[in-house]
Amino acid sequence: DGGITQSPKYLFRKEGQNVTLSCEQNLNHDAMYWYRQDPGQGLRLIYYSQIVNDFQKGDIAEGYSVSREKKESFPLTVTSAQKNPTAFYLCASTSGTGGYGYTFGSGTRLTVV
Amino acid sequence: EDQVTQSPEALRLQEGESSSLNCSYTVSGLRGLFWYRQDPGKGPEFLFTLYSAGEEKEKERLKATLTKKESFLHITAPKPEDSATYLCAVQVGGSARQLTFGSGTQLTVLP
Repeated sequence: DGGITQSPKYLFRKEGQNVTLSCEQNLNHDAMYWYRQDPGQGLRLIYYSQIVNDFQKGDIAEGYSVSREKKESFPLTVTSAQKNPTAFYLCASTSGTGGYGYTFGSGTRLTVV
Repeated sequence: EDQVTQSPEALRLQEGESSSLNCSYTVSGLRGLFWYRQDPGKGPEFLFTLYSAGEEKEKERLKATLTKKESFLHITAPKPEDSATYLCAVQVGGSARQLTFGSGTQLTVLP
């Protein structure tokens, strides 16, 4: 079945450490997105990519980095510059029409220890 | 700036007690309004897309409607399995298909 796979489901980060969250899709979607979700808040856009080798900053890009070397993959790195990284991270993708909005992955919960 | 506001933040219903969730929006050039359901610890699941004022869509006990300023998600005779957080999002023209989300309504249906 087609879908989006995020891994790991749970991730723990030590102070000063960079960590990378994986996002893979087999839907042949062009556009991919990373959102952050905090309790009681809506999803906030971190980065997005419409085509391979191109990506743009979202509303809260500081302390994060991404790459889009393959259409299927859009990994997110949470760097040590992100001072409050504990959150639920969601990856999503959409096709050219966008009529179905996004297809989301199951999320990665990142905790600073 | 595009804004999406959902109300109430939380709603508790008895099984069979119908109600509505509200999503009001302030955007320039609405391209589409989306409703999602999110269960705890999981990614949002697509429910509906609405494109123009007056449009309505239904799925089982859920019905979504759209006006020029807001959308409603009506839940008829809810069951405990309808308990979830319901998210509303808008897409505006020329936005690279980005969605702007509201903060959600957490629905609890008691048996």
